[in-house]
Amino acid sequence: AQKITQTQPGMFVQEKEAVTLDCTYDTSDPSYGLFWYKQPSSGEMIFLIYQGSYDQQNATEGRYSLNFQKARKSANLVISASQLGDSAMYFCAMREPNSGNTPLVFGKGTRLSVIA
Amino acid sequence: DAGVIQSPRHEVTEMGQEVTLRCKPISGHNSLFWYRQTMMRGLELLIYFNNNVPIDDSGMPEDRFSAKMPNASFSTLKIQPSEPRDSAVYFCASNSMGTGFLKTQYFGPGTRLLVL
Repeated sequence: AQKITQTQPGMFVQEKEAVTLDCTYDTSDPSYGLFWYKQPSSGEMIFLIYQGSYDQQNATEGRYSLNFQKARKSANLVISASQLGDSAMYFCAMREPNSGNTPLVFGKGTRLSVIA
Repeated sequence: DAGVIQSPRHEVTEMGQEVTLRCKPISGHNSLFWYRQTMMRGLELLIYFNNNVPIDDSGMPEDRFSAKMPNASFSTLKIQPSEPRDSAVYFCASNSMGTGFLKTQYFGPGTRLLVL
């Protein structure tokens, strides 16, 4: 069974609009971390935002926010005021347990295209 | 601070040749991960090290792949002999051990390997 599911292979959004990228996860470990990475066409993996399973509030980093719904096991990424430079692949990832010596498991990714 | 450094950035080789990929983790990080990215399989873990010790190499495709971490600042991933199906982007990532947010995993720029 997939640990991380991203159901949207591709998304389009108008510049300056907000967009939500979906991510659901599967784990029985109470301690886990959820991450979003951006991969532009140049290929590098850029860390965007993190949510710990015990965090009470949804994470925010500038225009990025994570809509964390623990009971539904979802961790959707919300990008506000989209910019052309946001066009990229976006990957949701999980680590369980939530410690630095544990590898990440990635979803298949969502390709976001921002339209002018 | 310098990020994770990988070399070479691009490698084109012929089937049967030996390929060595190199990685220098972020100074002070003591966990190192090798991932491979392909269109078919997405991002998958190959092997990871904690304190220079290999912990899980179950993702290594077969005996043609080997990885070493002789010290805290250097790791290699070797493919011998290489095959066309090894063509992929190979990422090295590092983070410090422990729990919580500060243990974000940072990726190198990747090595794009093409085996002809």
